[in-house]
Amino acid sequence: GAVVSQHPSRVICKSGTSVKIECRSLDFQATTMFWYRQFPKKSLMLMATSNEGSKATYEQGVEKDKFLINHASLTLSTLTVTSAHPEDSSFYICSARDPWTSGRDEQYFGPGTRLTVT
Amino acid sequence: QKEVEQNSGPLSVPEGAIASLNCTYSDRVSQSFFWYRQYSGKSPELIMSIYSNGDKEDGRFTAQLNKASQYVSLLIRDSQPSDSATYLCAISGYSTLTFGKGTMLLVSP
Repeated sequence: GAVVSQHPSRVICKSGTSVKIECRSLDFQATTMFWYRQFPKKSLMLMATSNEGSKATYEQGVEKDKFLINHASLTLSTLTVTSAHPEDSSFYICSARDPWTSGRDEQYFGPGTRLTVT
Repeated sequence: QKEVEQNSGPLSVPEGAIASLNCTYSDRVSQSFFWYRQYSGKSPELIMSIYSNGDKEDGRFTAQLNKASQYVSLLIRDSQPSDSATYLCAISGYSTLTFGKGTMLLVSP
């Protein structure tokens, strides 16, 4: 399957600071990437759909000014958590579709980034 | 609003047994169905996708889809302790995935 990487894998930051998470498709070009958040013992919640060269589409209830998404190239999408607060502490996971080889709507996940805000 | 329902478990089976995981969904227009495996502290890994009614087999895994009953299942044959994980059912419509809460599977040696 397609390989997706994320960086960093873990980050601890102080309340009020911003954190940037990178998501890369390593062996394919991803026109669409997705950002999810997962709280302990909960399922994945889609935050936004990131489209290369255009604005992200945010799910209802997700603050677009707080979670800034940029998809500047076909292999890189970034999520910036601005003015982070302890309640933003979570497991953030990106995924991507390989439109040329993936089955219909298949998504491949990066390893995730565990964010802790102190 | 799409809903995907799974029994949270845990489902406990002995090594070598067949594990049966079930999922129901509410959205009749869903066209694509997936099973992901998620180990504790890790991200989900795609193990099966199914698009049409019937069975689809891949190694020890068999996915079953019944669109009329809005039901999808995953069978794991010859279960191994390494299969112990949370299994997430996901459905797709318009390119985004909706996940169930997952079923925890415990395979005892």
